[in-house]
Order: sequence, then structure tokens, then C-alpha cells
Amino acid sequence: DSGVTQTPKHLITATGQRVTLRCSPRSGDLSVYWYQQSLDQGLQFLIQYYNGEERAKGNILERFSAQQFPDLHSELNLSSLELGDSALYFCASSGRLAGEQYFGPGTRLTVT
Amino acid sequence: AQTVTQSQPEMSVQEAETVTLSCTYDTSESDYYLFWYKQPPSRQMILVIRQEAYKQQNATENRFSVNFQKAAKSFSLKISDSQLGDAAMYFCAYRSAWQGGSEKLVFGKGMKLTVNP
Repeated sequence: DSGVTQTPKHLITATGQRVTLRCSPRSGDLSVYWYQQSLDQGLQFLIQYYNGEERAKGNILERFSAQQFPDLHSELNLSSLELGDSALYFCASSGRLAGEQYFGPGTRLTVT
Repeated sequence: AQTVTQSQPEMSVQEAETVTLSCTYDTSESDYYLFWYKQPPSRQMILVIRQEAYKQQNATENRFSVNFQKAAKSFSLKISDSQLGDAAMYFCAYRSAWQGGSEKLVFGKGMKLTVNP
């Protein structure tokens, strides 16, 4: 158990809908990262938050957004969903200066 | 941009034997971190081992060790005394050490390891 929690574990929704994925980092970790794992694109970095502020953006679509709240949990919002958004979405967290990122169990999103 | 390449999509090993997974990367940076992550069928991403580029000594964690060749930009993972529970996808990953930049992980495409009893 990495100490990072993600909810829900599975999500099935229809095209055009909007969903919210939630992540709670390990106790004390200020950085939260979101990654997408799909068969064709592999593991791709989406976005990073540090202590409530956006720190880095990767290959995140405009239809996707994220935020980190004062209690350090983070939410990834996916809207106008398309079939191609079906993937495993991971959240990871890390300590302030450490290199290691610890991953949550992921949320499996299926868009039908 | 940094890239990570895992050229072997699949490997197999007999239980109790040793296997080496290869990884190469490309970067213009001199300071960075390299990682191996394991993803078993449960899909959980598990950190196996970490190497700092400024350290010449190769990292080891129990049965897992790395061969880090900085000049060759090579970072292989050796698994000794392979166990059935080692069967998984293995991902090599790169992270810049530059404090002002992104701390994102750049992953290779992964390699599926099968352990035969």
C-alpha cells in the first residue's frame, strides 16, 4: 500500500459526459501528479500540483482540468468525454525534495 | 525533450534464475533520477528501485540491482533469484533533477516479464 488513495476504482460513463476523479496523497506529501495510461499512448504525464498551485502541465487536453485543495487532495475533471479517453488514470504524490513518486491504485475509466 | 526506450517488449525467465531488463534514455541534462517501476496484473504501479545520476555506485534493493552507465545512457535492471511474484510489466522512468522544472516522470513503453515455474 503506497499511502496514496484514489476514488472511484472504476467508472463507466457515456460519451459527452463529465466525471471527477479524486486523489488523496500520502501524509505530508505536497506534490500531486496525474498520469494517464492507455494502450496506444502508454503512461503519459498530465499535470502536477504543488501545495495547491499548478506547477507543470503535460499532455493534458483542454477538456481536462485539475485542482489541488487546501487539504492537499486533488481532483481531475474530465469533460465532453470521448471513447479515446478510456484509460487508467493514476495519481502519484511525492515529498518536497525527494525524487520518488508513489502511485495510487488508479481509476479505470471506460467511456461507452 | 527526454525520451526513454525499452526495446524488448517481452522477456521470460525460469524461477530462481537471473534476468536483466534493458533501458536506454536520451537527455541533455547532467543531473537526473532514474527509476524502475513494476506493474503487476493488479495494475498498481510499484517503485522497485531508484538511481541518482550523480552517484557512481549502482543502486541495489534486495534481489534487484541496476547497472547504470551514464556515458552510454543505459540503465538496466537485474532481478536475481526470480520469483513467480516478479511477473509483471516493468517500466523504466526518467525524472529531471532540476528544481525549477517539471518533476514529471517520463516512462518507457514497458516490458512484460514472465516467470516460468
